[in-house]
Amino acid sequence: QQQVKQSPQSLIVQKGGIPIINCAYENTAFDYFPWYQQFPGKGPALLIAIRPDVSEKKEGRFTISFNKSAKQFSLHIMDSQPGDSATYFCAASMNSGYSTLTFGKGTMLLVSP
Amino acid sequence: GAGVSQSPRYKVTKRGQDVALRCDPISGHVSLYWYRQALGQGPEFLTYFNYEAQQDKSGLPNDRFSAERPEGSISTLTIQRTEQRDSAMYRCASSATGASGAVFGPGTRLTVL
Repeated sequence: QQQVKQSPQSLIVQKGGIPIINCAYENTAFDYFPWYQQFPGKGPALLIAIRPDVSEKKEGRFTISFNKSAKQFSLHIMDSQPGDSATYFCAASMNSGYSTLTFGKGTMLLVSP
Repeated sequence: GAGVSQSPRYKVTKRGQDVALRCDPISGHVSLYWYRQALGQGPEFLTYFNYEAQQDKSGLPNDRFSAERPEGSISTLTIQRTEQRDSAMYRCASSATGASGAVFGPGTRLTVL
């Protein structure tokens, strides 16, 4: 049973575009939703995270939108740059983030110059 | 060091051999997590520790897998009688504040021939 479903698997946008990556979860006990960025040969690095008491969180060019009733959340990257090319993972956790993370399968993003 | 370190970075072994993978967390981090990441997939939880106590081992695939953290710092993940299906990237993460603050290491790429 895949508890966190992520789409699309891969995404190509031009520089300046706004890639959107979507995730859906099933377990209503999840209450912490982070996004990780992973470059080739490196471990995942925390990018931004949201808790279900807010519908949107913005940090620099990265925005998470959260829809609790639909059990969905998404990552938007404003003014995308070639340096944003990486694999992005959504994840979910319980107990305000103190439980372990359940990851989506990842989205490989390529931002063309 | 400043980050999580893992050794070896690459391990090639023959089917049936035992392997031990080491994780050196960030100094002072209470929690330590082991994940397995197959190619093109998100990290999959294996087990985690708070200090030296193993809190959850529900993700270990079978009894060939075990982990320890005897002094609450360095951890070892041991796989006995390795099988080809054990081939994957094994990632360690540590945190001072639960899974939400987890910092991932570079991983150990295990290949079982």
